[in-house]
Amino acid sequence: NAGVTQTPKFRILKIGQSMTLQCTQDMNHNYMYWYRQDPGMGLKLIYYSVGAGITDKGEVPNGYNVSRSTTEDFPLRLELAAPSQTSVYFCASSPAGGPNNEQFFGPGTRLTVL
Amino acid sequence: AQSVTQPDIHITVSEGASLELRCNYSYGATPYLFWYVQSPGQGLQLLLKYFSGDTLVQGIKGFEAEFKRSQSSFNLRKPSVHWSDAAEYFCAAYNQGGKLIFGQGTELSVKP
Repeated sequence: NAGVTQTPKFRILKIGQSMTLQCTQDMNHNYMYWYRQDPGMGLKLIYYSVGAGITDKGEVPNGYNVSRSTTEDFPLRLELAAPSQTSVYFCASSPAGGPNNEQFFGPGTRLTVL
Repeated sequence: AQSVTQPDIHITVSEGASLELRCNYSYGATPYLFWYVQSPGQGLQLLLKYFSGDTLVQGIKGFEAEFKRSQSSFNLRKPSVHWSDAAEYFCAAYNQGGKLIFGQGTELSVKP
């Protein structure tokens, strides 16, 4: 049982490039989330999904896209990378929504845009 | 809007000393409150949570936290810190929209 896995661990992008951050969970959780963590700012919710085929915006969705074709996978797409997207990205999953359902986090992807 | 504030960006304590990390929240109703720990290179792990009832909650790894409504605080404590406790600690709360909001984080360093 690997939990939540993320790839890659590190990535450097040039401005304007695109990439996909991968997230997979093997706990059969319905809910999945993408957060970004900026120094001194805590984690901010980018997008979340309540099940396959259903996604919704979080607090900071601009510049990102997501899809959820399966229960296990929730990739995050950056289409035109900008320096403001330099951050650490965390994927998380939970059985359902709300405070009674613990969110389990992946180890993160550290992205630098130059 | 609801918010979670951790006033201390970085704290250093000696191994074996006691620890208290501060967390303040702004929320009208009884909040759902959490403490997470992020060890280097790892994702966030839930330490403990408070929903209602007893205001002193116990968590994993010997941590506890006390909810004080009058002070809008949910401070994390540990009687004796171990070197392995060096990590970043996040306080979090659920907002009215049903989303988890995080404080800025406190980085803990432990001196031998």
